[in-house]
This record gives sequence, C-alpha cells and structure tokens, in this order.
Amino acid sequence: DAKTTQPNSMESNEEEPVHLPCNHSTISGTDYIHWYRQLPSQGPEYVIHGLTSNVNNRMASLAIAEDRKSSTLILHRATLRDAAVYYCILRSVEYGNKLVFGAGTILRVKS
Amino acid sequence: DGGITQSPKYLFRKEGQNVTLSCEQNLNHDAMYWYRQDPGQGLRLIYYSQIVNDFQKGDIAEGYSVSREKKESFPLTVTSAQKNPTAFYLCASSISSVAYEQYFGPGTRLTVT
Repeated sequence: DAKTTQPNSMESNEEEPVHLPCNHSTISGTDYIHWYRQLPSQGPEYVIHGLTSNVNNRMASLAIAEDRKSSTLILHRATLRDAAVYYCILRSVEYGNKLVFGAGTILRVKS
Repeated sequence: DGGITQSPKYLFRKEGQNVTLSCEQNLNHDAMYWYRQDPGQGLRLIYYSQIVNDFQKGDIAEGYSVSREKKESFPLTVTSAQKNPTAFYLCASSISSVAYEQYFGPGTRLTVT
C-alpha cells in the first residue's frame, strides 16, 4: 500500500495561512491524493483530493508537485476551528480504492 | 438530516463478552466501512462492504464480524477473540467503493475491562 510522510505537528497563528506538507515518493500514476481532517473525539471529514493538477474548494487548496512526489494542503486563513489532525492519504486503485490512514499532522492554531 | 449514526457513544463491557456496535446511514450509500483508531494513531480498516449481502476483510479483521443485510445498516460485532478490543470505532459510508469521499459517523468509544 502506498505511504505518505507528514510532520508530527505544526503550529499556526489565527488568521494566517497554513501550509501542511506531505511526501509520497512512491506514488503511482493512478493514485489519488486525499486529505481528511479529524477534530478531537470526532470522525474524520473529507477536505480535498486531487490527481495531478492543483485543486481549490471552499475549505482549502491542494498544491501538487509536478513530479507528484509531494503535495501541500493550504488553509488560507486558519481559525481556531481548524485545529485538528490532518491526514494525507494516497487512494490506490491497485489497493481497491481503500483509504489507508497514517498518523497525520496535529495542527495547533494560536489566537 | 442525512448522515451516519453510531450508537452508543460510549460502551463498557467485561472481558470475554461479545459486543455489537451499531452503524446506520440514511444517505442511500452502497459502500460502508468500519475502522478502528487507537490513541495517537491513524485509522485502520476492519471490514468494508461494497453492496448489500457482501463484505470483505480489511487489514485487521481478526476478532471481528459484520453483516450487511440492509443497505442502511452495517453492524460490527467485537468478539471475545479480539485480544485488545478497547479502542475508538468509526463507521463510514460512500456512494460507491470508488467514490472519492467517505462520510464518517461520530464514533463509539469501547472500553473492555
């Protein structure tokens, strides 16, 4: 199964942008990059996903490197409600399209 | 409101007892999933079902069983064979098994003593 590497934790100030990095050097051509986040004691929620091109939605932006070996989730203006564990996941057709969660990055937001 | 319901939120059992966790969805989704989460770790897939009356083992199926007799329901039984059952259990669903988004329930925290 494809693997990702993320920093254990990051800290941000409220109202400032946050860039959450993810390395996935073994990504294959058909793997999608997904991001989910999990607030304390809740189930994860979908944030964004992409294949090759950068993606934007109401929650965040996803910047994908040209070689696809890394990606960055961008929260444009962090709020206290964005404090969560962020998971970068490769969804592989070869692995039955299942999501494989790593430990994620704990994002702390300071007011 | 559409969504996924898991009950109860907290569950306590004695060692050696089987326990069944409930998961219900009214999203009309075909695929459903069960994950386990231990403190400080990511989610691990226990079982998943792509359609009614069908299910497959995930990465850590030993000591667990499931059924999928109705589209909206996917109960998980934690049997006495599961060596370390204390964990946070999360149910999810998606429109299909190839859909890009899974919707998660609020979870059930099981404590076995």
